[in-house]
Amino acid sequence: GNSVTQMEGPVTLSEEAFLTINCTYTATGYPSLFWYVQYPGEGLQLLLKATKADDKGSNKGFEATYRKETTSFHLEKGSVQVSDSAVYFCALRRNTGFQKLVFGTGTRLLVSP
Amino acid sequence: DAGITQSPRHKVTETGTPVTLRCHQTENHRYMYWYRQDPGHGLRLIHYSYGVKDTDKGEVSDGYSVSRSKTEDFLLTLESATSSQTSVYFCAISESEAAFGELFFGEGSRLTVL
Repeated sequence: GNSVTQMEGPVTLSEEAFLTINCTYTATGYPSLFWYVQYPGEGLQLLLKATKADDKGSNKGFEATYRKETTSFHLEKGSVQVSDSAVYFCALRRNTGFQKLVFGTGTRLLVSP
Repeated sequence: DAGITQSPRHKVTETGTPVTLRCHQTENHRYMYWYRQDPGHGLRLIHYSYGVKDTDKGEVSDGYSVSRSKTEDFLLTLESATSSQTSVYFCAISESEAAFGELFFGEGSRLTVL
């Protein structure tokens, strides 16, 4: 079946450090891939997406590249801020018909000043 | 921000009592979803709706029922709450089949079953 595996957290960084949160997936066919972010006390928000191999999604300084050969969609940011502290969820959706979104377990990011 | 309102936002109840959570949207989106969020599990789909009176089960539907009598409202009912249903429940909406994966979430309803 379809599944998403994320690195365990929390990830603790100092402000302006480089961020990588790993995400790998298992799916039949070629799914669309997503990163969602959940700030404290809020619902999830779509951060970025990629719909086919080699696509790069980007938003708010975050980016992730859809790597079919390694079945990965790692989230990166060059310089994190305290305001980036949140839980990040990787997710996939198959592209045929009505397919539900499958989420990873989430990775908490803590950024200190 | 997408117009999604969940109510109640917090509820404490006792085992065996019925509970209904409401999701109200002002976006006129066709698709609505109920997820639960638990540590170590991420988000898991309970039920979803693809139109008025059209609903289907997700991966963790046991013990839950839903109803959608109007486009804007999607109700989640726990007929007889159990402690294992203590969780944070999120409603989400999406506009169309082409936009699947691009969900807009409500702020969540925290349910505690004692």
